[in-house]
Amino acid sequence: AQTVTQSQPEMSVQEAETVTLSCTYDTSESDYYLFWYKQPPSRQMILVIRQEAYKQQNATENRFSVNFQKAAKSFSLKISDSQLGDAAMYFCAYGEIGGGSNYKLTFGKGTLLTVNP
Amino acid sequence: SAVISQKPSRDICQRGTSLTIQCQVDSQVTMMFWYRQQPGQSLTLIATANQGSEATYESGFVIDKFPISRPNLTFSTLTVSNMSPEDSSIYLCSARHIGEQFFGPGTRLTVL
Repeated sequence: AQTVTQSQPEMSVQEAETVTLSCTYDTSESDYYLFWYKQPPSRQMILVIRQEAYKQQNATENRFSVNFQKAAKSFSLKISDSQLGDAAMYFCAYGEIGGGSNYKLTFGKGTLLTVNP
Repeated sequence: SAVISQKPSRDICQRGTSLTIQCQVDSQVTMMFWYRQQPGQSLTLIATANQGSEATYESGFVIDKFPISRPNLTFSTLTVSNMSPEDSSIYLCSARHIGEQFFGPGTRLTVL
């Protein structure tokens, strides 16, 4: 079974600084997706960024970028120029490629990010 | 993108009763999912609900406890049956749409 590990239960960053959240995963598949989701206190899960395993180029979305190391099964999220609105719980998730229930996501335990003014 | 709404947003229930949570998607989707998020924890998949077929339950979750309906491509319900305090959680509906997975705002359930 796939597992996702986030080793940092909590992180903090100063506003305008950069922070990196770590995630490792375990799978025997060669093709899959990796995601970072943000969950603010409103509980709404928001997709931050997605990476396809077959793509060597790291995904970026504005201030958010990932460092995807497939051989090491590592998928870290870098938030640049942190803003107060970035404060949330961040979940790393693994998703298989395939039909049926293989589209399900496996989530890590989350990292609570605090942004200090 | 897909917008997902859930009803109710929260509820407080007595043990032994049942609650049905509704999930509505603004687009037609093949795959819908129900997750549970216990206080301060991550999300755990309860079941996958595809239109026109029986829901597929994950290990540790059974149909008698969590019956699911999927009558059409935009709607699903999850019932939490014979509730106990251990069922107090946030229940999230999710749908896969054009390669992305979207989530509803969740239903916060408290069982007394």
